[in-house]
Amino acid sequence: DIVMTQSPDSLAVSLGERATINCKSSQSVLYSSNNKNYLSWYQQKPGQPPKLLIYWASTRESGVPDRFSGSGSGTDFTLTISSLKAEDVAVYYCQQYYSSPYTFGQGTKLEIK
Amino acid sequence: EVQLVESGGGLVKPGGSLRLSCAGSGFTFSNAWMNWVRQAPGKGLEWVGRIKSKPDGGTIEYAAPVKGRFSISREDSKKMVYLQMSSLRTEDTAVYYCATGQFFDYWGQGTLVTVSS
Repeated sequence: DIVMTQSPDSLAVSLGERATINCKSSQSVLYSSNNKNYLSWYQQKPGQPPKLLIYWASTRESGVPDRFSGSGSGTDFTLTISSLKAEDVAVYYCQQYYSSPYTFGQGTKLEIK
Repeated sequence: EVQLVESGGGLVKPGGSLRLSCAGSGFTFSNAWMNWVRQAPGKGLEWVGRIKSKPDGGTIEYAAPVKGRFSISREDSKKMVYLQMSSLRTEDTAVYYCATGQFFDYWGQGTLVTVSS
């Protein structure tokens, strides 16, 4: 199984500042035949289902604000929120969909400082 | 508008069975890969299983903790996907979500399954 490890577990950032969440996979999720990283990011607010933010490691889902961006390749990935807003308080998860079981990271709780 | 609505959750005793349903609308259900994901109270997300569309082979995959106990099926004519759960354990207590696609682009609101004596 591919183990997904996020860091940090929790993060407090001031409004308007940058937030960075890291995700590391125990093996590469880059599929060489199409050069795509099978990595997605989700946002989950309390009492709500997760919401897809980013897929293919860096493609923003339709309707997601452009302050959210994803980067990385192979085994190391980053979700960046360029200028934190109050509504971004949530738990963020990365997930690999390269191979079954399609594992999630443990989650990163983002709060306002 | 894409909608996914789960139903069938509830309280069940250890060793019991339950069938969850997920109704889809607003998209071409027959072409959709459908997933089940669960979240234990206060915990993270855990993928449970997936059923691919029939045009893509209809392959079904399960996570190790549920393999042999849970079964996924689909009824495209009714735009439904099901999760049949048997030999339930206390550690199966969770909110169960259905979600579409290879990367999970749409999610339902979830249905709570509580396994307790």
